[in-house]
Amino acid sequence: QSALTQPASVSGSPGQSITISCTGTSSDVGGYNYVSWYQQHPGKAPKLMVYEVSNRPSGVSNRFSGSKSGNTASLTISGLQAEDEADYYCSAYTSSNTLIFGGGTKLTVL
Amino acid sequence: EVHLLESGGGLVQPGGSLRLSCAASGFTFSSYVMSWVRQPPGKGLEWVSAITGSGGITHYADSVRGRFTISRDNSRNTLYLQMNSLRPEDTAVYYCAQDQPGPWNYDCWGQGTLVTVSS
Repeated sequence: QSALTQPASVSGSPGQSITISCTGTSSDVGGYNYVSWYQQHPGKAPKLMVYEVSNRPSGVSNRFSGSKSGNTASLTISGLQAEDEADYYCSAYTSSNTLIFGGGTKLTVL
Repeated sequence: EVHLLESGGGLVQPGGSLRLSCAASGFTFSSYVMSWVRQPPGKGLEWVSAITGSGGITHYADSVRGRFTISRDNSRNTLYLQMNSLRPEDTAVYYCAQDQPGPWNYDCWGQGTLVTVSS
């Protein structure tokens, strides 16, 4: 199964908002609400930022929000900060009882 | 505090085998689904396998099914990944992760162990 489709890179200035998309199919993103988003800084393990489409784990800033429409999920980061610069990955449960990740998006804070 | 510590990575020749371990602490290990996720150097994340708390149900990515076996020893709070018939494309940092909150979400990860498959 191919990876979910994410833009390779996005950028924004401090204080701005950006949105990262994650496109799959009706067998994964569109079929279930098990869509998650992870932030990964270089050399570090991933960190869960959003789960089940739009829920935030304890301790994650409310500047991070998730949504889904059809086969596309989105992560929005508002009030961009320098420390938000990282790689972001979406993931989705599939009808084959597996998990699939997106190819990753590199966020640059200008 | 939840803590996961992987071990067992290293250099192995193509066709060889390796067993990874993940020692868990800070939570009731047997109550949680556990998973392995890998990341080739400079590339994205790839889910590998998952196992239920009792160990009775396992799931695998197509890329490793038939070659890798996930297992757990709840008496030792340890997760395993037996990797056989290794290929160069299996080269990656392997992370263990706790399924929490809810299924198919990973709020806690180990630091990862590097597996290099090369002659």
